[in-house]
Amino acid sequence: KNEVEQSPQNLTAQEGEFITINCSYSVGISALHWLQQHPGGGIVSLFMLSSGKKKHGRLIATINIQEKHSSLHITASHPRDSAVYICAVTLGGGNYGGSQGNLIFGKGTKLSVKP
Amino acid sequence: DAGITQSPRHKVTETGTPVTLRCHQTENHRYMYWYRQDPGHGLRLIHYSYGVKDTDKGEVSDGYSVSRSKTEDFLLTLESATSSQTSVYFCAIIPGGSGNTIYFGEGSWLTVV
Repeated sequence: KNEVEQSPQNLTAQEGEFITINCSYSVGISALHWLQQHPGGGIVSLFMLSSGKKKHGRLIATINIQEKHSSLHITASHPRDSAVYICAVTLGGGNYGGSQGNLIFGKGTKLSVKP
Repeated sequence: DAGITQSPRHKVTETGTPVTLRCHQTENHRYMYWYRQDPGHGLRLIHYSYGVKDTDKGEVSDGYSVSRSKTEDFLLTLESATSSQTSVYFCAIIPGGSGNTIYFGEGSWLTVV
C-alpha cells in the first residue's frame, strides 16, 4: 500500500474550470508539500502545509490533519497550468531509520487544461 | 531557488561505464538529496547527505555511490551503469532539514544504452 496516494492520476479540464487534486496519506507527518512539474521540466514547490489553508494566486491548498487528507485547488484553470502535480509528505519527527528529511512522494497527477 | 545547478543535464552512456552527476549549491545548505524519477514510481530517494562527508543510503541506493567533500557539491556516481538506471535524476535541498520547503535542481536526463 502506498503511503501517499493521489487522485485522480490523470485529469483533463477545459480552460476556466475549477480543478481539485486530492492527496491522502497513511503516516504521521510534520508537513505536506505540493509540487509542480511541467513537461520535460524541473520541479518547483507550490506550497508547504502543516495545517489549515494557503493561497497563492489561483492556487489554494488545504489540509485536514485528522482525516490525513489534502487538496490542491486551481480556480479559473488555464492551459499553462498543464503539468504534473505531486504531493509529498515529511514524516513526523523528521526521522526515518535515523535519517533527516525523509520525504515520501505520491506518484503525481497529470493535469491537461484544454483551451 | 536555493542556487542549485545540476550537471550534466543530459547524457547518453554505454552499459558498464561509470557516470558521475554533480549537484552544486551556492548557499551552504547542509542537507542535500539525490532522487530518481521513473514513470509509475514517482520520486525515489537514492542517497542523501547531512553534511560534509556525512552521507546515508536511501531506498534505491544499490549501484550508486555518493560523495560530499565540500558543502557545495554532492556527487552521485553510477559505478557501472546499467539500462535500469536510465532515468531522470534530481538533486534537492531542504534548507534546515525536514519540514521546510524543498528546492530541486533542474534534473539530469540519463540514458544508458
